[in-house]
Amino acid sequence: DAMVIQNPRYQVTQFGKPVTLSCSQTLNHNVMYWYQQKSSQAPKLLFHYYDKDFNNEADTPDNFQSRRPNTSFCFLDIRSPGLGDAAMYLCATSGLGQVISYEQYFGPGTRLTVT
Amino acid sequence: AQKITQTQPGMFVQEKEAVTLDCTYDTSDPSYGLFWYKQPSSGEMIFLIYQGSYDQQNATEGRYSLNFQKARKSANLVISASQLGDSAMYFCAMRTYGNNRLAFGKGNQVVVIP
Repeated sequence: DAMVIQNPRYQVTQFGKPVTLSCSQTLNHNVMYWYQQKSSQAPKLLFHYYDKDFNNEADTPDNFQSRRPNTSFCFLDIRSPGLGDAAMYLCATSGLGQVISYEQYFGPGTRLTVT
Repeated sequence: AQKITQTQPGMFVQEKEAVTLDCTYDTSDPSYGLFWYKQPSSGEMIFLIYQGSYDQQNATEGRYSLNFQKARKSANLVISASQLGDSAMYFCAMRTYGNNRLAFGKGNQVVVIP
């Protein structure tokens, strides 16, 4: 089945140690998103790619970076994780960015713990 | 700016009963779409239903229906015949034309009890 895959599902990293989360999709969607979601809160958009065009949210810390080497894969790099970065990280995709009715398809998420 | 408001506290619902989740929104854009997502404790966001601002009829998808009242800027989700598997957080979200972003509300927690 076509889907959005996130690896790993659980990630433990040490304070200040760089970590990379990965997302892949078989939907051939041209838009990919990264969200941060903390407990009992709504997902917060960090950035998204429309094809190769990177769109950063104004309040996303510089500590968070992203790469999209091809249509299928997108990576979230946290350069120096702090305790406040512990959260669920959700990847999502959407087709045809200008069409309102196209929903976002979410992956299962990666739960990041910072020790 | 887009804004979604979900203010209901956590809800307990008896199995097989219907539940209505409130969502109000604010936008000056005449062209927009409204989405409801379900997020169980496992964490995955599951798309449930979509309503476009120009749609004449309320959207329905199986046990889910959307009570769309455009003049009041509300888009309430109705879940009929609740099941134990409906226990989850439910998020209302909006997207405006030309914008790739979804604006999410804070969510409604639903617990279905047998």
